[in-house]
Amino acid sequence: DVKVTQSSRYLVKRTGEKVFLECVQDMDHENMFWYRQDPGLGLRLIYFSYDVKMKEKGDIPEGYSVSREKKERFSLILESASTNQTSMYLCASTKLGSVLAGYNEQFFGPGTRLTVL
Amino acid sequence: GENVEQHPSTLSVQEGDSAVIKCTYSDSASNYFPWYKQELGKGPQLIIDIRSNVGEKKDQRIAVTLNKTAKHFSLHITETQPEDSAVYFCAASTGTNAGKSTFGDGTTLTVKP
Repeated sequence: DVKVTQSSRYLVKRTGEKVFLECVQDMDHENMFWYRQDPGLGLRLIYFSYDVKMKEKGDIPEGYSVSREKKERFSLILESASTNQTSMYLCASTKLGSVLAGYNEQFFGPGTRLTVL
Repeated sequence: GENVEQHPSTLSVQEGDSAVIKCTYSDSASNYFPWYKQELGKGPQLIIDIRSNVGEKKDQRIAVTLNKTAKHFSLHITETQPEDSAVYFCAASTGTNAGKSTFGDGTTLTVKP
């Protein structure tokens, strides 16, 4: 089974802190994604990566950055956390071969619920 | 870019009834339409998908229909059970751009025993 793990289920940080959210997948997937989930707003894409050291902005990248130093790991960084970044953060991955075949099922981690005080 | 609208935002049914969730998309290049189920405390998980060269797909109590002309697709759950209670997301993808998908806002389905 594909497994996507996220470093924390719950995280509480203070305004202005630098926050790191880690995501690791164990199925050699090329593509990885970070979303935030807020009630009534669905899943909004923050950043995605299609290869090591490659990244692209999603729909709401402001206030976030990412790092992909290894294929299996994709990190989301909040440079200076703010209260409006309180949310559920979901990481996902998908295999390039599946994308090319027209089936880009995304495999999600369990999420990290971040509270910024 | 792609825009996906999903309705209704909440849906409550009696056990045994059917549930239907509808989505529309804007980009005619979209060709892959997955549906995800998110149970409490978990990440979304794929339950069924359909490609643009197919009009309907069924898997036991779950079916998905696609109307490319009208740019809408629907999820049908028959004989609902309490364990079907969850948040359901539709999505659309063009199969390019690293497999990026655009998601609907989600439907919270409650199945009452």
